Amino acid sequence: DQQVKQNSPSLSVQEGRISILNCDYTNSMFDYFLWYKKYPAEGPTFLISISSIKDKNEDGRFTVFLNKSAKHLSLHIVPSQPGDSAVYFCAASRSTGGFKTIFGAGTRLFVKA
Amino acid sequence: DGGITQSPKYLFRKEGQNVTLSCEQNLNHDAMYWYRQDPGQGLRLIYYSQIVNDFQKGDIAEGYSVSREKKESFPLTVTSAQKNPTAFYLCASSIVGQGSYEQYFGPGTRLTVT
Repeated sequence: DQQVKQNSPSLSVQEGRISILNCDYTNSMFDYFLWYKKYPAEGPTFLISISSIKDKNEDGRFTVFLNKSAKHLSLHIVPSQPGDSAVYFCAASRSTGGFKTIFGAGTRLFVKA
Repeated sequence: DGGITQSPKYLFRKEGQNVTLSCEQNLNHDAMYWYRQDPGQGLRLIYYSQIVNDFQKGDIAEGYSVSREKKESFPLTVTSAQKNPTAFYLCASSIVGQGSYEQYFGPGTRLTVT
């Protein structure tokens, strides 16, 4: 049972345009959501997070939107750069009740120059 | 220069042999984690530890064992009981407190068992 789903295995975007990566979750108990970026043969690195008390969090070119009623979050990258090409993992956790974080399967982003 | 180190980066073993993957952190984090990544799948939690001398099973602990004798170290042993041990293994750490916190990952170890 996948509690965190990233339904698009890959996404291709032109440099300078917006990249939108989507993520859906099923467990309404999740209240903290994170995005990680991963290059090949490396560990993931934390990118941005959002608490369920917010619906938007922005950090430079990266913005995460949370729609609790739809159990959906998205990561917007504007403008996209070739160095953004990587696999992006969505993750969800509960702030109480343990330390388990559930990861999605990832979306591979290609930014074309 | 704080971070998490995993060694070796690539590891090859024969079927039936136990193998131990190293994970060390100097971030002074209390919590440490082991994940496994397979192609087309997300990271799946094997074991985690919130404090020295204590650890809990994750979602796929069968065939694995861990120890946490020091705060800085959380080695993972892949035993011969693990049916499909070939995978990319990631170690992570985080602070512990009220709420949720991001995890810091090591570079990973790719284990191939033949």
